[in-house]
Amino acid sequence: DVKVTQSSRYLVKRTGEKVFLECVQDMDHENMFWYRQDPGLGLRLIYFSYDVKMKEKGDIPEGYSVSREKKERFSLILESASTNQTSMYLCASSPLADSSYEQYFGPGTRLTVT
Amino acid sequence: GQNIDQPTEMTATEGAIVQINCTYQTSGFNGLFWYQQHAGEAPTFLSYNVLDGLEEKGRFSSFLSRSKGYSYLLLKELQMKDSASYLCAVRDSNYQLIWGAGTKLIIKP
Repeated sequence: DVKVTQSSRYLVKRTGEKVFLECVQDMDHENMFWYRQDPGLGLRLIYFSYDVKMKEKGDIPEGYSVSREKKERFSLILESASTNQTSMYLCASSPLADSSYEQYFGPGTRLTVT
Repeated sequence: GQNIDQPTEMTATEGAIVQINCTYQTSGFNGLFWYQQHAGEAPTFLSYNVLDGLEEKGRFSSFLSRSKGYSYLLLKELQMKDSASYLCAVRDSNYQLIWGAGTKLIIKP
């Protein structure tokens, strides 16, 4: 079974703090994704990566950065957390982009910024 | 712009059948996915359609009409555990997934 794990289920941070969200997958997938999910909105793509050290901006990259130093690990960084970044953050991975393969999701991190 | 529409919420009775619709307008089309998401949990894959027609998987079926930009998810013999949100997502010409906001399905005894 594919397993995608995220470092925390719940996180509370203060405004201005630097926040690291970690994601690890164990199926040797090339692609990894970071989304945020807010009530009434679809999943919105923040960043994705299709290879080690490669990253591409998604629809809402402002205020975020990412790091992929190893194939299995994809980190999302909030350089200076703000209250509008309070959200559910979902990491996903998939084997290939140009195929029917679905994305496998981690359990999510619910981040609250106060 | 790209857009995916699905009803916000639906209610159905245990043992009945429910159809959740999804309409889309995207830049290109490379497949449509349905995911199930229980409250507080990660989305899990249900089905994939890339050609017109019906795909059946046990109690769940998914239909696609590319010319109409339309899909539906059909759930039969509803069980209480089917209470969840159902997410429709379309893979566009850049092979990125565009997501609908999800349909919250409430099952009543």
